[in-house]
Amino acid sequence: AQKVTQAQTEISVVEKEDVTLDCVYETRDTTYYLFWYKQPPSGELVFLIRRNSFDEQNEISGRYSWNFQKSTSSFNFTITASQVVDSAVYFCALSEAGDSNYQLIWGAGTKLIIKP
Amino acid sequence: DGGITQSPKYLFRKEGQNVTLSCEQNLNHDAMYWYRQDPGQGLRLIYYSQIVNDFQKGDIAEGYSVSREKKESFPLTVTSAQKNPTAFYLCASSIKGQLLNTEAFFGQGTRLTVV
Repeated sequence: AQKVTQAQTEISVVEKEDVTLDCVYETRDTTYYLFWYKQPPSGELVFLIRRNSFDEQNEISGRYSWNFQKSTSSFNFTITASQVVDSAVYFCALSEAGDSNYQLIWGAGTKLIIKP
Repeated sequence: DGGITQSPKYLFRKEGQNVTLSCEQNLNHDAMYWYRQDPGQGLRLIYYSQIVNDFQKGDIAEGYSVSREKKESFPLTVTSAQKNPTAFYLCASSIKGQLLNTEAFFGQGTRLTVV
């Protein structure tokens, strides 16, 4: 069955430290997409990245980077030189091809606290 | 500006009452979704609609109802049959109904509390 696990419930670091948020997924499909969303205190979820199962290239966007490894079924998210504005809950999600492609399977989220 | 608007931001309901949460989008998206978020859990899908006048149950549809009479609007009614309605409700939309390869846009949510 499909599943997304974010084992880190809460992470707290001091500003300017690097931090990695882990995401491990389970799926039987060979075609799927992985997502990261950010939920700031205001409540709405903000899309960060989408990665398809055939593209294992790592991605970097400014201070954000993502490491996709099919061998370990992981899609980890790293913030370099963290800032207080990065404080939020971050969700990893999975979408599979097939009948359930209307669905996003969500992890439980990781609450990230950046202390000044 | 284009986006999704949810109202109200906070809602209080007495036991036994039905309440309706509003969700409006001006992104011209075909698909709309309602999620429920509880503390320490991921989002769970209540209902979704891929096109006007059509909607489908998600994983936790019991005690909820929806309508999709207009492309822009997808209101959610929390009925008295929902035994534990206190939660944060998020509405989302996407260009297509298939979330495989498209991002979803979210509203700012409605926090519903039973008093």
